[in-house]
Amino acid sequence: EPEVTQTPSHQVTQMGQEVILRCVPISNHLYFYWYRQILGQKVEFLVSFYNNEISEKSEIFDDQFSVERPDGSNFTLKIRSTKLEDSAMYFCASSGGLAAQETQYFGPGTRLLVL
Amino acid sequence: SQQGEEDPQALSIQEGENATMNCSYKTSINNLQWYRQNSGRGLVHLILIRSNEREKHSGRLRVTLDTSKKSSSLLITASRAADTASYFCATVRGSNYKLTFGKGTLLTVNP
Repeated sequence: EPEVTQTPSHQVTQMGQEVILRCVPISNHLYFYWYRQILGQKVEFLVSFYNNEISEKSEIFDDQFSVERPDGSNFTLKIRSTKLEDSAMYFCASSGGLAAQETQYFGPGTRLLVL
Repeated sequence: SQQGEEDPQALSIQEGENATMNCSYKTSINNLQWYRQNSGRGLVHLILIRSNEREKHSGRLRVTLDTSKKSSSLLITASRAADTASYFCATVRGSNYKLTFGKGTLLTVNP
């Protein structure tokens, strides 16, 4: 069964460093998303991406964050200058259509720890 | 406003019993989805119910949606120890792209 994959599974970085989290969505999906979950808290929406542009973003997704689909398969989340409060589990998701109509399938997550 | 508030926050049952979890939300929705998360792991999609549907079944899962009460319930029948996980409801509003998650119910099924 097709699935969303994410690398790395764990990342430890120093405050102020740049990190890139990678995702390979399900191959025929058109909509891509990033969410995060701070330990013990709700899963929070960060950004959605369709047709090579951001379609929606939350207030969390500030200028320090960016997303890219550099080729036909990868979808990346970059944090330019990490802060302690960026420590969280980051989930990538994809769907075949708009979330309003379709299931979003999640990857296993990348656990980011900022020291 | 907060969407997707589950209750109870934690539920502990014996294997073979049924587990019922509830979710309430505040604004109109397009669909509501239930996910499962094993400790520290990814989110597994369980079931999607659209706003014009009242009930859906998938295996041992039964989901109901009452849009007049802005609530949904997830019933797991004949529970197994492997069902131990956190269960989240997530809503989609209008034509938005995003899922809005609740805080989840931690279900423990004791063998």
